[in-house]
Amino acid sequence: SQELEQSPQSLIVQEGKNLTINCTSSKTLYGLYWYKQKYGEGLIFLMMLQKGGEEKSHEKITAKLDEKKQQSSLHITASQPSHAGIYLCGAAFGNEKLTFGTGTRLTIIP
Amino acid sequence: EAQVTQNPRYLITVTGKKLTVTCSQNMNHEYMSWYRQDPGLGLRQIYYSMNVEVTDKGDVPEGYKVSRKEKRNFPLILESPSPNQTSLYFCASSFSLMGNYGYTFGSGTRLTVV
Repeated sequence: SQELEQSPQSLIVQEGKNLTINCTSSKTLYGLYWYKQKYGEGLIFLMMLQKGGEEKSHEKITAKLDEKKQQSSLHITASQPSHAGIYLCGAAFGNEKLTFGTGTRLTIIP
Repeated sequence: EAQVTQNPRYLITVTGKKLTVTCSQNMNHEYMSWYRQDPGLGLRQIYYSMNVEVTDKGDVPEGYKVSRKEKRNFPLILESPSPNQTSLYFCASSFSLMGNYGYTFGSGTRLTVV
């Protein structure tokens, strides 16, 4: 079973609209990363959250980690074509490997 | 430019023919890792290395080997590739497992085994 669940699996949004992607774990997270991947290319680091209740923003993208450190959301405001791609959350559950969710494919339509 | 370089980007090979995918980073990172990405399964870790001469298995290590003789290089070796190893492979590096600046990923190697 997947340790990290992302929802939705895919999302089609009209340009200019807001959207939210969720990442949920059944275990407490030691750290949560958000990445963006252009189709078939490498992953680009967006931000990392470590503290319960933490919120970070980069341009029009905001990510939050809940107080229990088991769920994170990624919110994009006024979406643009450049936001299209696959968004992945990655998490460390201890001092071992980084586990990734299956990703959310975001399509922006004009 | 700080980066992780993987080679080759694309590779088509035949079953059983040994191959190596190279990975090199120029950021003096201690932590390096290999992932494979498959539709519906996401990114799964193959092997990782906490430092030179220290490697450990990830989630799907069967059929793969790695080595970490130098800090900058972390090659992935497929001794006898099989079609189920057809996938998109990524190498990643970081100062530590919980690097505050995230992992830096290579551009990927798309491997097809026929």
